[in-house]
Amino acid sequence: RKEVEQDPGPFNVPEGATVAFNCTYSNSASQSFFWYRQDCRKEPKLLMSVYSSGNEDGRFTAQLNRASQYISLLIRDSKLSDSATYLCVVNILGGQNFVFGPGTRLSVLP
Amino acid sequence: EAQVTQNPRYLITVTGKKLTVTCSQNMNHEYMSWYRQDPGLGLRQIYYSMNVEVTDKGDVPEGYKVSRKEKRNFPLILESPSPNQTSLYFCASSLGSGPYGYTFGSGTRLTVV
Repeated sequence: RKEVEQDPGPFNVPEGATVAFNCTYSNSASQSFFWYRQDCRKEPKLLMSVYSSGNEDGRFTAQLNRASQYISLLIRDSKLSDSATYLCVVNILGGQNFVFGPGTRLSVLP
Repeated sequence: EAQVTQNPRYLITVTGKKLTVTCSQNMNHEYMSWYRQDPGLGLRQIYYSMNVEVTDKGDVPEGYKVSRKEKRNFPLILESPSPNQTSLYFCASSLGSGPYGYTFGSGTRLTVV
């Protein structure tokens, strides 16, 4: 079983739609969780950290479920500019092994 | 501007010719790391460093070397590049472990022929 798994997509959604991605991780000792976005041929950029209580940043909401070992990202009112690959990242506290998921590709269509 | 700078952005080289990809960060971060990204395999960690003179292997260290003589610099060295090292390479830095995440450089696209 891979350490971090994501549905590769692509998710094709119309502008204004709400879309949700899930990511599962295998190591129960994982402590830090992140969502990154990566545009084609560009570097990954931190979108948001994921906190135990869940957190929101504008149209983006991240949730963590430790019991089931998954994190989620919800994007409301999708914009064309949200089209990108979304990477789930997991880190074990005290280590430098940030494990990246394979990414989920999102295309927001006009 | 806070950033991670990698050079070169693009490099084509021949098998066996030693090369170095430089990485520098201006954020006084302690943690630095190198990743390679290949289609279908995602981002895989090559080496990381938790401080000056402290480096450790990631998931795919074979064929690579690194050094961390100064806090800001973390070069990636390929002593004898081979075609299977053709990839997109990213350097990244982080304030520390925990909820900090990484800041990435713009990437180096390496082709070994």
